[in-house]
Amino acid sequence: GAGVSQSPSNKVTEKGKDVELRCDPISGHTALYWYRQRLGQGLEFLIYFQGNSAPDKSGLPSDRFSAERTGESVSTLTIQRTQQEDSAVYLCASSFNRGRGYGYTFGSGTRLTVV
Amino acid sequence: DQQVKQNSPSLSVQEGRISILNCDYTNSMFDYFLWYKKYPAEGPTFLISISSIKDKNEDGRFTVFLNKSAKHLSLHIVPSQPGDSAVYFCAAIPTGNTPLVFGKGTRLSVIA
Repeated sequence: GAGVSQSPSNKVTEKGKDVELRCDPISGHTALYWYRQRLGQGLEFLIYFQGNSAPDKSGLPSDRFSAERTGESVSTLTIQRTQQEDSAVYLCASSFNRGRGYGYTFGSGTRLTVV
Repeated sequence: DQQVKQNSPSLSVQEGRISILNCDYTNSMFDYFLWYKKYPAEGPTFLISISSIKDKNEDGRFTVFLNKSAKHLSLHIVPSQPGDSAVYFCAAIPTGNTPLVFGKGTRLSVIA
């Protein structure tokens, strides 16, 4: 597709349930990133995939969070046993390799509300 | 520990005037800096960037200034237009293939 696609755009879930968020990067972009933005906060790095290398998981806030990416395609971010503090907009971005010249292309995000 | 700081959460400017958005950083390993613009319900979009070997980069109405000794950069928008009203994020990347580090953002309102 022309841009980074994320689904769902909105998700309301009950505390304790698991959720899965999906990101479809731009075709040919080898790097994929997950960030989140909680209310009143900046963009917080979660996880980074680069080609077939082991992902950089250094930003994941707890072991309830995990993400997968198959090759250079779709990625899913899974949050198990959701808590209210997980409520945030989850943003996915992709780039060519380092993407330093143009930065990242972001999707519109998934707004997650845990009630 | 915030490595990229945008100390002004909001800024209001009259249409036609200059908007100046500021950003400070603490990590001396940062060597590339970017500004992103974000409208509500959309993802951030790349606006302008600057390498640490430069002190200024200009693109139309947007100019980014970098003061390495002060670890400070600023984005100037002139003249400001109502369509510039958005949240602006400052971001930085260190040498190597690591993710961008973002500030908290500054909400700019340009008043007609």
